[in-house]
Amino acid sequence: GEDVEQSLFLSVREGDSSVINCTYTDSSSTYLYWYKQEPGAGLQLLTYIFSNMDMKQDQRLTVLLNKKDKHLSLRIADTQTGDSAIYFCAERASGGYQKVTFGTGTKLQVIP
Amino acid sequence: DAMVIQNPRYQVTQFGKPVTLSCSQTLNHNVMYWYQQKSSQAPKLLFHYYDKDFNNEADTPDNFQSRRPNTSFCFLDIRSPGLGDAAMYLCATSQTTGTVNQPQHFGDGTRLSIL
Repeated sequence: GEDVEQSLFLSVREGDSSVINCTYTDSSSTYLYWYKQEPGAGLQLLTYIFSNMDMKQDQRLTVLLNKKDKHLSLRIADTQTGDSAIYFCAERASGGYQKVTFGTGTKLQVIP
Repeated sequence: DAMVIQNPRYQVTQFGKPVTLSCSQTLNHNVMYWYQQKSSQAPKLLFHYYDKDFNNEADTPDNFQSRRPNTSFCFLDIRSPGLGDAAMYLCATSQTTGTVNQPQHFGDGTRLSIL
């Protein structure tokens, strides 16, 4: 079955860049997503990338996809204290129905 | 301008007492999902509705049921909550047309506590 792995914790200083990494096992993944979850809240879709793309940039966010290595990363430029949250990587396989597999989440702590 | 609305945000129930969580959406999406999320874990899909078609995950306990009376509303019923059912319950929606699957949009969740 599908498996999505992330490191559990990342700490950065305010103003630095953050890079959150994710690996997945399903080579037939079509879409890969990044969600942000603040304490006590639901998941907020940040960005997503289609599997035929290598990179996607959206303001402070840059997503890189290495399909050969099944590696996805999210770079947050000029990290702010408001970026402190848990970040979930997720992938949707091809075929079948709409099931999305979530990673374990990376808790980002931004130090002022 | 919440588009996926879950009520209530916090729900307390007694062990074994049935409880219903509700979700509504203004996006007119054809797919609605229910997830269970325990502390420091990824959301776990319980089931989803594709239009009126109900799809249960193989490992979802029989204690959990769902209803979707119309496009906008979906309910999660827990028939006899146990202590292990205390969690955050997340509703999500997406629009799927043929092979095009749009991203899922989540509500803010309902945190369920069991006394």
